[in-house]
Amino acid sequence: GAVVSQHPSWVICKSGTSVKIECRSLDFQATTMFWYRQFPKQSLMLMATSNEGSKATYEQGVEKDKFLINHASLTLSTLTVTSAHPEDSSFYICSATGLVSSYEQYFGPGTRLTVT
Amino acid sequence: AQKITQTQPGMFVQEKEAVTLDCTYDTSDQSYGLFWYKQPSSGEMIFLIYQGSYDEQNATEGRYSLNFQKARKSANLVISASQLGDSAMYFCAMRDSRFSDSNYQLIWGAGTKLIIKP
Repeated sequence: GAVVSQHPSWVICKSGTSVKIECRSLDFQATTMFWYRQFPKQSLMLMATSNEGSKATYEQGVEKDKFLINHASLTLSTLTVTSAHPEDSSFYICSATGLVSSYEQYFGPGTRLTVT
Repeated sequence: AQKITQTQPGMFVQEKEAVTLDCTYDTSDQSYGLFWYKQPSSGEMIFLIYQGSYDEQNATEGRYSLNFQKARKSANLVISASQLGDSAMYFCAMRDSRFSDSNYQLIWGAGTKLIIKP
């Protein structure tokens, strides 16, 4: 149990276009979802926290107009990278918490974004 | 402020040997939680083990154990009988006390790249 999926697993897009990444909790209700960004050989950097039905809370330095997060249901959150640029190329990981465990975050497999 | 420190950027270990990955933390909270995650080259984050600050015994999960020394503020991960499949990045993390238990965030260490040699 407690499976989180991400789609797509990798995507290549042209500079200036927008890309949407989906994060789904498959077998539990995710009250909170987190979006991380990870550069090669570095740790995870939290971008934002989203609760179902409310606006996401962005970490300092993360542009909320560039990284649009929507948590429309208890099983789905989306991250849209708008007007992508090569510097947005990165590994994006989502995680979710719910009533499944009192302390554990469940991670998606990640999405590798390359902007050309 | 809370902080996680992993001082070993990389480690080479011979297959079948035990390995200890270091993690120290800094917090003024009495109640906190410590985690270890494994990230293979595929990128997925795999939960390994959890230790609550009030847990009296060290957490164990199969070949993984957490050497929790509260006074020293250390939470080292011990992998017994290492296997080639253990080669990966390992991250230590701590629950961020700014948030309630229902939607906590994690504070992450820089990670340790472990390579198991055949």
